[in-house]
Order: sequence, then structure tokens, then C-alpha cells
Amino acid sequence: DQQVKQNSPSLSVQEGRISILNCDYTNSMFDYFLWYKKYPAEGPTFLISISSIKDKNEDGRFTVFLNKSAKHLSLHIVPSQPGDSAVYFCAASDGTSYGKLTFGQGTILTVHP
Amino acid sequence: NAGVTQTPKFQVLKTGQSMTLQCAQDMNHNSMYWYRQDPGMGLRLIYYSASEGTTDKGEVPNGYNVSRLNKREFSLRLESAAPSQTSVYFCASSGVGEWFYGYTFGSGTRLTVV
Repeated sequence: DQQVKQNSPSLSVQEGRISILNCDYTNSMFDYFLWYKKYPAEGPTFLISISSIKDKNEDGRFTVFLNKSAKHLSLHIVPSQPGDSAVYFCAASDGTSYGKLTFGQGTILTVHP
Repeated sequence: NAGVTQTPKFQVLKTGQSMTLQCAQDMNHNSMYWYRQDPGMGLRLIYYSASEGTTDKGEVPNGYNVSRLNKREFSLRLESAAPSQTSVYFCASSGVGEWFYGYTFGSGTRLTVV
């Protein structure tokens, strides 16, 4: 049972445009959400996080939106750059158990010059 | 460079062989984790160690054992490898209460079981 789902395996965007990556979750106990970026042959690196007391968090070109009632979050990248091409994972935690994260399947983002 | 170091980077095993994946961090982090990444499945937690001396099962622990040797090192052992354990394995660590700001991951071990 996949508790965190990224239903789009891939996304292709033109440089300078907005990239929107989506993530849905089923476990209502999840209160913390994170996005990671992964390049080939490297480990994932942390991008941005949000807790359920907020509905938006920004960090430079990256913004995460959380809709708790819909159990949905999204990552917006504006403007997109070719260096953003990577696999993006969303992850969730209920805030207990020493930060155990449940990850989605990942979305491959390709930004074309 | 500070971070999480995993060895080996690549390994091919025959079914039934055993091996230990090594992980060490030099950030004085309390918590360490082992994940596996499979196509279409994302990253799934195998085992974690909240602090030195403790270990707990994650989502997919069957076929694996772990040892938190000291605060720095957290190893993952496959006692009798199976083709279903072909995967990329990632070790990660986080400080006390810092997981919300992201784990630090190693670069992974690509394991093939034939």
C-alpha cells in the first residue's frame, strides 16, 4: 500500500517556465513533508520541507504548497533551469519515530534549454 | 569532505552469498537509516537506528540485519542474498530533531544478485 504517491513518472518543461511536481498521500497522520532531488549516481539531497501548520513554504526558486484537506502537496520551480533536471521525491513523516520518512516513487524532471 | 560514506559502490553477488554494506558518517549525527531504491517504488526504509545502541525495523526488513557499531557506523548485512535484493542501497543520517531539515544521504551501493 503506497502511502505517498507521485502519479507522474516524468515531466518535461522548457527552460524558464514553471515546473509543477505533484504528490498525494493517504495517511492522515502525516504532518511533515519534504522534497528531495536526486541526480544519477548520487544520493538524494534535501530541497525543501513544510509542516502541516503551514500551507506554503518558499526557498528561492522552490515553493512547496500543502493542501491537507485534499492530502496533496506540490513543488513549484520557477523559473526552471536545465540544472534542475533530476528525479524528485516527495517524502512524509508523522513526526514520531525519529524522523522515519515514507517516500513517493519519484518524478523525473527534464528541463529543455 | 564531511558527509556519509558508503562502501562498496558496486557489488555483484551470487544467490546465497552474504555481504555487509558499510556506512559511516562524520557529522556527529545520532540517527542513521538504510533505504533501498527500486524502479517505480521510490525509497523504502529497511532499518533505522535512532541512536547508538538501538536499531529498529523499517518497512522492508526481511532478509537483512543491521549493526550500529558506534555513533559513526551503521552496517547492513545480507546473510543469504536473493535476486529480489538487487537494488540501490542508500545510507542516511540526521541529527537530533534535524530530520525535518533533511537527511544527509550517501552516494549509494548498487547491488546485483545473480
